[in-house]
Amino acid sequence: SYVLTQPPSVSLAPGQTARITCGGNNIGSKSVHWYQQKPGQAPVLVVYDDSDRPSGIPERFSGSNSGNTATLTISRVEAGDEADYYCQVWDSSSDHLNWVFGGGTKLTVL
Amino acid sequence: QITLKESGPTLVKPTQTLTLTCTFSGFSLSTSGVGVGWIRQPPGKALEWLALIYWNDDKSYSPFLKRRLTITKDTFKNQVVLTLTNLDPVDTATYYCAHNVGPYYGSYFDYWGQGTLVTVSS
Repeated sequence: SYVLTQPPSVSLAPGQTARITCGGNNIGSKSVHWYQQKPGQAPVLVVYDDSDRPSGIPERFSGSNSGNTATLTISRVEAGDEADYYCQVWDSSSDHLNWVFGGGTKLTVL
Repeated sequence: QITLKESGPTLVKPTQTLTLTCTFSGFSLSTSGVGVGWIRQPPGKALEWLALIYWNDDKSYSPFLKRRLTITKDTFKNQVVLTLTNLDPVDTATYYCAHNVGPYYGSYFDYWGQGTLVTVSS
């Protein structure tokens, strides 16, 4: 089955730019979606189809996808961005249809 | 305004069957392209997709849990039901239902329920 690999954690100071990666075999050929999950809350979609933002999501959140790596970029990081972030794709490479999540990345704002 | 809410038992015993209901509003499961999925999250761990049902009654299951899962829909009641058989303590998790923008290729979950914590313990 298809595997998505994320770094367990990313730490940076307020105002810096966070880049959270999501690795997968030829992931550039798939649509990648990103979710933000704060403690005790349900996930929230922050980027879909590689780089589109749902209404209400700040422009500071952006995405890209090429080759074997997709990236969620958060510009001018704020304390309120501290959360777990998950990438997700739909995969049909095996006989099964799968909605696959990455292992998640914990973003800490120092 | 799309909303979803999960309901079901909070504590179940090993080997029992778990039945969870997702009650939603703001959309119809009779509309082409619409789906509802179930995703779970063990405490402190990552999200895991379980199952999904589409407007046309197409169903997909996680290959790892396929033999234990069943998903059904009641379009008139605006509900989706998930059953998971032969429970084990490792099934302890928060279970979410979510609206799926599909179908299939490139699809994602744009609205989520609040989740319900299910503990499997004797």
